[in-house]
Amino acid sequence: NAGVTQTPKFRVLKTGQSMTLLCAQDMNHEYMYWYRQDPGMGLRLIHYSVGEGTTAKGEVPDGYNVSRLKKQNFLLGLESAAPSQTSVYFCASSYASGSFKNEKLFFGSGTQLSVL
Amino acid sequence: LAKTTQPISMDSYEGQEVNITCSHNNIATNDYITWYQQFPSQGPRFIIQGYKTKVTNEVASLFIPADRKSSTLSLPRVSLSDTAVYYCLVAEGDDKIIFGKGTRLHILP
Repeated sequence: NAGVTQTPKFRVLKTGQSMTLLCAQDMNHEYMYWYRQDPGMGLRLIHYSVGEGTTAKGEVPDGYNVSRLKKQNFLLGLESAAPSQTSVYFCASSYASGSFKNEKLFFGSGTQLSVL
Repeated sequence: LAKTTQPISMDSYEGQEVNITCSHNNIATNDYITWYQQFPSQGPRFIIQGYKTKVTNEVASLFIPADRKSSTLSLPRVSLSDTAVYYCLVAEGDDKIIFGKGTRLHILP
C-alpha cells in the first residue's frame, strides 16, 4: 500500500540545470498538488491538477512547470534551477467526492532539493 | 478569501490537554475546517475535519462555535511524540488548499 510516492528523495543541482520531480499515487485520486516548504514559511502551493491532462497555477508557480499526462502521475519540472528554489518539495493527492476544497490530502514524504 | 490565524508556537507538558485555536473570520458557508499534523522530515498528515459543533476521533477533538469564525483543536493527554507543527486549513476561493505557517507545538517532559 504505497500511497503517494515521490522520487528522488534528495537531489543537488547546479544553477541553470534542469530536473523533473516525479509524484505517483496508487489511490486513483483525481486531484494532485505540488507544494514547497521553506524554513518558517509553512507549505506554499506551486501547481495543482484537478484531473488527467489539466493543470493550474498555485501561489508560487514561477520557475516551475507541471504535467499530468497520466492520472496517477504528476511531474514537477525546473527548467533552469536557481538557488531560490532550494526547498523541500511535497506532492499530495486527494479524492474528488464532491467539494474539491474540502478534500482530505494525502502527502508524499518529500524531496529535498538543493541548488548551488 | 478565507485566511487563518493561529499561534506561531506553544509549549505544554506530557499528560496535559492542549488546545490550539485558529481564527477564520471569512470562512465561506460551505467550507469545512481541516487540521493537519507534520513531523520533521515528513509530509503533513490529516488529523480531523469538521463543519460545526464538535467532532471527535481517536486522535483529537475539534470544537467549532456556531458563528464558525474560529475553531479549536484539542489534543488529550499529550506525549512527547505529539511534538509537531499543526496546520489549520480553510479553503482559499473555489479551488485552492492553502497552508499557513502552522503552530509549532513543543511537548516537554
